[in-house]
Amino acid sequence: AQKVTQAQTEISVVEKEDVTLDCVYETRDTTYYLFWYKQPPSGELVFLIRRNSFDEQNEISGRYSWNFQKSTSSFNFTITASQVVDSAVYFCALSEARGETSGSRLTFGEGTQLTVNP
Amino acid sequence: ETGVTQTPRHLVMGMTNKKSLKCEQHLGHNAMYWYKQSAKKPLELMFVYNFKEQTENNSVPSRFSPECPNSSHLFLHLHTLQPEDSALYLCASSQERRGANVLTFGAGSRLTVL
Repeated sequence: AQKVTQAQTEISVVEKEDVTLDCVYETRDTTYYLFWYKQPPSGELVFLIRRNSFDEQNEISGRYSWNFQKSTSSFNFTITASQVVDSAVYFCALSEARGETSGSRLTFGEGTQLTVNP
Repeated sequence: ETGVTQTPRHLVMGMTNKKSLKCEQHLGHNAMYWYKQSAKKPLELMFVYNFKEQTENNSVPSRFSPECPNSSHLFLHLHTLQPEDSALYLCASSQERRGANVLTFGAGSRLTVL
C-alpha cells in the first residue's frame, strides 16, 4: 500500500526566512509520481510540481526548490525567502503508474500548515 | 469561466435532506474525481470517472451517489447524511497520462450536516 507522511503538522516562520517542508513516502512500485500541491485559504489545491521516480534531479523554480532522494524515499520542498503570501497548507502526494483509462489514484499526506508572519 | 467550478460553495443540510453538489470543468479533461477533506485527515479519494465511466468507488457509503452525465460535469447526490459527513468536498479533473496526471481542483463545497 502507498503512504505519504508529512511529519510537520504546522510550521511558523518570519518573513524572509527559508523553510523546508518534509515529505516521506512508501510504495512498492518502481514507477511512480510525486507531487506537491498548495491549498491557500480559498480552498482549491494548486499544483506546484510533479516528479517521476526515474528523475532524481533537483528542481528550482523561483523561490521554490525540491529535493528528491530515492535512497531515503523523501521529496522535500524548500521555500527560500518566504513571504506572507506563501501561507497555506502544502500537500505532498504520490501516484502509481497506471493504464491510460484508469484515472489517477493520488495518495495525499496530511498536509503541513505553513504560516509566514510579517 | 475557466478551470474547475464547484457549486454551491457552502451547504448546510439536515440529516433527512437531499441535496446535490455540482462540479463543472472547462479544461477539456476526460477524468473527474470527488475527494473528501475532513479536519486533521488526509484527502480521501471517493470516486473516479474516466470518459464518463466510474472506474473507482473507494468504499464510499451509499448515501453518497455520484453522477457523471458527460466529461465536463460531475455531481454528488447526498441523502440521509450523518454529522460526520461534514467536510470540504473537492472536485478535480485531469487528462489521462498513466498516473502522471496533474489534477486541477475546484475550490470545494463546504458541507455541514446538522
